Amino acid sequence: QAVLTQPASLSASPGASASLTCTLRSGINVGTYRVYWFQQKPGSPPQYLLRYNSDSDKHQGSGVPSRFSGSKDASANAGILLISGLQSDDEADYYCMIWHSSAWVFGGGTKLTVL
Amino acid sequence: QVQLVQSGAEVKKPGASVKVSCKASGYTFTSYDFNWVRQATGQGLEWVGWMSPNSGNTGYAQKFQGRITITSDTSITTAYMELSSLRSEDTAVYYCARNAPSSGIFDYWGQGTPVTVSS
Repeated sequence: QAVLTQPASLSASPGASASLTCTLRSGINVGTYRVYWFQQKPGSPPQYLLRYNSDSDKHQGSGVPSRFSGSKDASANAGILLISGLQSDDEADYYCMIWHSSAWVFGGGTKLTVL
Repeated sequence: QVQLVQSGAEVKKPGASVKVSCKASGYTFTSYDFNWVRQATGQGLEWVGWMSPNSGNTGYAQKFQGRITITSDTSITTAYMELSSLRSEDTAVYYCARNAPSSGIFDYWGQGTPVTVSS
């Protein structure tokens, strides 16, 4: 079982909100991890969006709009990237990442389609 | 402004080695660590390893242990990733990214270097 699992795809309408999940493997407690989020568009390197651990320990990437935010769902053992007021430009792949067992681990990525 | 500029595309035969460079500018080179991340065509991101140009410390993903060497030359503010015993599965775009020590904030990335392994 992968350390981080993300749904392969998600579709949402312009102006709506999208909640992208990053589920940690059973036995790895999301409460003890900082979850990082990246956006990648075709043909470009990833771009850092934000880090979320708690409301008192979070970081927004430089120039990243506030409509991108992070949270956790302890019951689902997942990190969440919430994008509100979806725009066509938000269409991209999104990756989560954590530091686990002395290594950076990426989720498999979610392709967000805005239509 | 901060820039990470990587070396050009490489084509290698199975069993060979490849060395990719990442030239940094616009900031104090030794204040940030480097990470290398790769991405096969149509696939997700895979972390390869990291190093601190300040301390020389390194860390590698387990699957690359024994085949990967990450170094830097502070005199020319350049980081390097060398991967040996190449196989077709190593065909990917390799990215360098900087981060503040002990942070996953990979705030600047290189443009990527395609590496093709083919006989």
